[in-house]
Amino acid sequence: DGGITQSPKYLFRKEGQNVTLSCEQNLNHDAMYWYRQDPGQGLRLIYYSQIVNDFQKGDIAEGYSVSREKKESFPLTVTSAQKNPTAFYLCASSSGEGDGEYTEAFFGQGTRLTVV
Amino acid sequence: GQQVMQIPQYQHVQEGEDFTTYCNSSTTLSNIQWYKQRPGGHPVFLIQLVKSGEVKKQKRLTFQFGEAKKNSSLHITATQTTDVGTYFCAGHGYALNFGKGTSLLVTP
Repeated sequence: DGGITQSPKYLFRKEGQNVTLSCEQNLNHDAMYWYRQDPGQGLRLIYYSQIVNDFQKGDIAEGYSVSREKKESFPLTVTSAQKNPTAFYLCASSSGEGDGEYTEAFFGQGTRLTVV
Repeated sequence: GQQVMQIPQYQHVQEGEDFTTYCNSSTTLSNIQWYKQRPGGHPVFLIQLVKSGEVKKQKRLTFQFGEAKKNSSLHITATQTTDVGTYFCAGHGYALNFGKGTSLLVTP
């Protein structure tokens, strides 16, 4: 069953702790994205990767880190430097540019992180 | 960076009324995509527009891409309760950039 999987669905952490959110896809997509969603703020881009072993900062990268060692995996670490980490985190993937057109993005179910 | 603005932020309609959300970009877009997110869910792709002035329809949904490729709209005719959710437009710049979305509430 092809798709993009995020785990866990809910995550609780104490303030000051780093936490890593998992994102795995078996769609053979080159591009992967991490977004943060807060009420009324839409989807804000944290990091994105167009190819293995390469990634770029998005609009709100401060306090986050990523890695892209495998095509299938794009984990996001929320560090203690992130001032307001409580949010809904969404991972997405797409096959990138093809035939001059971009393809649709597929999203995971999301991880709701609560830091107390 | 590229900014994609969406209005209105919220819309509350009676079932059967029409609904429109508008998307505007500060720069020319190579394409525009529309997504729907149901409450508690994740965004799901609806459609992509690529050509200047393009119009596409999906049943009661009509999508338009402006002639200058800087704006787009989604129009829903005769809304139903199943249309409830947040509708996002997204444009490709260096990555896929989303607007803040329009949350639609439909009252029976």
